[in-house]
Amino acid sequence: AQRVTQPEKLLSVFKGAPVELKCNYSYSGSPELFWYVQYSRQRLQLLLRHISRESIKGFTADLNKGETSFHLKKPFAQEEDSAMYYCALRFGGNTGKLIFGQGTTLQVKP
Amino acid sequence: DAMVIQNPRYQVTQFGKPVTLSCSQTLNHNVMYWYQQKSSQAPKLLFHYYDKDFNNEADTPDNFQSRRPNTSFCFLDIRSPGLGDAAMYLCATSRGSGTYEQYFGPGTRLTVT
Repeated sequence: AQRVTQPEKLLSVFKGAPVELKCNYSYSGSPELFWYVQYSRQRLQLLLRHISRESIKGFTADLNKGETSFHLKKPFAQEEDSAMYYCALRFGGNTGKLIFGQGTTLQVKP
Repeated sequence: DAMVIQNPRYQVTQFGKPVTLSCSQTLNHNVMYWYQQKSSQAPKLLFHYYDKDFNNEADTPDNFQSRRPNTSFCFLDIRSPGLGDAAMYLCATSRGSGTYEQYFGPGTRLTVT
């Protein structure tokens, strides 16, 4: 069965420090992975997807099929990065269904 | 410019009293989803519509139903809410092709007394 694991509930760093939010997945098919973010009092929104290999707000994530991981990284954290981050796996053909990890709260201290 | 709208934002209902949550979208997306998110947990998919085709997740309780009268609107009906149904309910939409990005509403927080 498909599963997404985010081992850290809370990650606290100082401004300017590097950040790595961990995500591991279990899926028998070809995975399609996303990072969604929820800032305080805002709705859940897409941050980035592995297919586009983009960098959004300085964040990148590389799909590592050997390690079944999709960790989210940023070299220098900013206070405005403080939010809840969810890793998600798409399954279910063309319906785009997602299974989410438990989420990691990133707290960037000044 | 809200693209996925949920009403009401907060809903209080009594144990066993049916309740309906509403979602509307201005994106003309094919797919609409309902998620349940309990405190400190991941959003959990309850069901989704691809156009008029309804797809229930295997572990969604029978107590939860949904209706999609047209492309823009989708409703979540809880027939007999229990205390365990208190949660945030999220509606989302996607095109059902291409990037499969989901657009979320702000959620409805349901309290059961």
